[in-house]
Amino acid sequence: QKEVEQNSGPLSVPEGAIASLNCTYSDRVSQSFFWYRQYSGKSPELIMSIYSNGDKEDGRFTAQLNKASQYVSLLIRDSQPSDSATYLCSGGGNKLTFGTGTQLKVEL
Amino acid sequence: DAGITQSPRHKVTETGTPVTLRCHQTENHRYMYWYRQDPGHGLRLIHYSYGVKDTDKGEVSDGYSVSRSKTEDFLLTLESATSSQTSVYFCAISEGTSSYNEQFFGPGTRLTVL
Repeated sequence: QKEVEQNSGPLSVPEGAIASLNCTYSDRVSQSFFWYRQYSGKSPELIMSIYSNGDKEDGRFTAQLNKASQYVSLLIRDSQPSDSATYLCSGGGNKLTFGTGTQLKVEL
Repeated sequence: DAGITQSPRHKVTETGTPVTLRCHQTENHRYMYWYRQDPGHGLRLIHYSYGVKDTDKGEVSDGYSVSRSKTEDFLLTLESATSSQTSVYFCAISEGTSSYNEQFFGPGTRLTVL
């Protein structure tokens, strides 16, 4: 079992809708989690960090962490075509482990 | 822009030839990492460094070596390239190695081994 798992997608949402991306992890000692956005042919770009249970909001992005259930999610409100990208979840104890990413497509 | 550059950005080489990829940072961060990214596998750690001349292996280190003689430069060497090493290679930096420290990525190097 991979330490960090994501559905590869693609996840398609209409413009203006809420996109919900999910990630589960197996290592209970994982302390913090990060969401990266990666456009095709580009490098990963950090968009959210979350360290404690609950929600963290930054603009249109909300990260949610539930350590008891071992999942972390990213909500994107008012989705725009420019949000179309692959979203990588990462987390870990001593070292970060990355999921394989979920491809998001925002359709006009 | 996290002040990270990688060179070359693209390279095509032949099986059995040595290849060196360079990562250069201007942030003076102590920790540097080399990842490879392949479809279906995501980002996998090859090697990382926690200081000048201090390096350690990641999960896919076989066939790769690294060196760090200066804080700003981290080199990845494929001693004898194989087709299985065709990939996109990313360098990353962070202020620390614990999971509390965010990593920032360079632009990547696309390597093709024929």
